[in-house]
Amino acid sequence: NAGVTQTPKFQVLKTGQSMTLQCAQDMNHEYMSWYRQDPGMGLRLIHYSVGAGITDQGEVPNGYNVSRSTTEDFPLRLLSAAPSQTSVYFCASSPPRGSDTQYFGPGTRLTVL
Amino acid sequence: DAKTTQPTSMDCAEGRAANLPCNHSTISGNEYVYWYRQIHSQGPQYIIHGLKNNETNEMASLIITEDRKSSTLIVPHATLRDTAVYYCILHNYGQNFVFGPGTRLSVLP
Repeated sequence: NAGVTQTPKFQVLKTGQSMTLQCAQDMNHEYMSWYRQDPGMGLRLIHYSVGAGITDQGEVPNGYNVSRSTTEDFPLRLLSAAPSQTSVYFCASSPPRGSDTQYFGPGTRLTVL
Repeated sequence: DAKTTQPTSMDCAEGRAANLPCNHSTISGNEYVYWYRQIHSQGPQYIIHGLKNNETNEMASLIITEDRKSSTLIVPHATLRDTAVYYCILHNYGQNFVFGPGTRLSVLP
């Protein structure tokens, strides 16, 4: 298993540009989530999904959209990038109900100029 | 609001056990104590979790006090590769994980 994969590893955007961060997992996990981590801070939840077709907002959802058309993929879209969205983004997934241990991807480092 | 309190940073000599404390005085009956760590620039890595009993796996041991108001993560024989930020998290099944700032553990040669 590749586990949780994220692309790209690094990205630089200009203010106002849009882009999609990709996240995929090959473990048949139902739960997937996106976090952001600012320098020196803990992780903050952006959006999450408990299964295909179901998404919900986390702590800091503004400026981001998600969709979950398949179990494997959970892309995060930045609609109009702002410098405040400069951060490291982590995707995570968890196996079916009864075990909430989250497995994290390697992260995407995003800089918005 | 943070539900756990951890020291900001700790040092540990290489080869010694690292004992990382966590206070969670408002823990509820259904909440598990989870520990994750994050090595520089990488995604967080699950270490261990427990409800009431002490737990041990190949990475660490988790000691939970009888009143469950505090716990200690023990990393035996710490190596330089154990240098990381360690997060103590209270978690109910079906709820989202909430990460605080954690403890930055530095293992010194």
